[in-house]
Amino acid sequence: SQELEQSPQSLIVQEGKNLTINCTSSKTLYGLYWYKQKYGEGLIFLMMLQKGGEEKSHEKITAKLDEKKQQSSLHITASQPSHAGIYLCGADTVAYNAGNMLTFGGGTRLMVKP
Amino acid sequence: GAGVSQTPSNKVTEKGKYVELRCDPISGHTALYWYRQSLGQGPEFLIYFQGTGAADDSGLPNDRFFAVRPEGSVSTLKIQRTERGDSAVYLCASSLNDRVTDTQYFGPGTRLTVL
Repeated sequence: SQELEQSPQSLIVQEGKNLTINCTSSKTLYGLYWYKQKYGEGLIFLMMLQKGGEEKSHEKITAKLDEKKQQSSLHITASQPSHAGIYLCGADTVAYNAGNMLTFGGGTRLMVKP
Repeated sequence: GAGVSQTPSNKVTEKGKYVELRCDPISGHTALYWYRQSLGQGPEFLIYFQGTGAADDSGLPNDRFFAVRPEGSVSTLKIQRTERGDSAVYLCASSLNDRVTDTQYFGPGTRLTVL
């Protein structure tokens, strides 16, 4: 969807390196969800952000939502081969109303070289 | 496990045939979503159920697509007169739909191939 742009589209990093994936919206992000997908599998939920300036971390992955709620970033510290996969951001761009559909970016394909 | 399950995992059919894809959501989740994911793209919304009713079907591409959730749990996505362009992975997700968080949890998907 052109509403949600992810960058980069693909990324190859050496094991141990840090990396950042960005997700930019043309609309206000009332809920921003990060998922990870491996080939042939469903989406695995990572983190959800709602408030401007919010930051969440889980193990070596940190996600942030900017103050204006139009951009989010996903940062991986000391990448490992297990981090490889497709990272997708999904957004609720309708003023808070539980149950809305998510609009997804095109995904970032991450490969980690051992 | 207690996650979202989808059957079949793979479906190969011929152009013009009818197919049904099944989704079994997480127990207790009242909201259920169908998405379609084409190769190299993110998922695209098809339809959303709240309980038994379709609360939003704006993503269904045309009237060949239809979905039901008769008892508010299992859902079936039905595609009539399949076309080659329908080939994709069909993903189902469910959520609690409480008003604090509404995280959608996805199933493994059904890969549909129309020959």
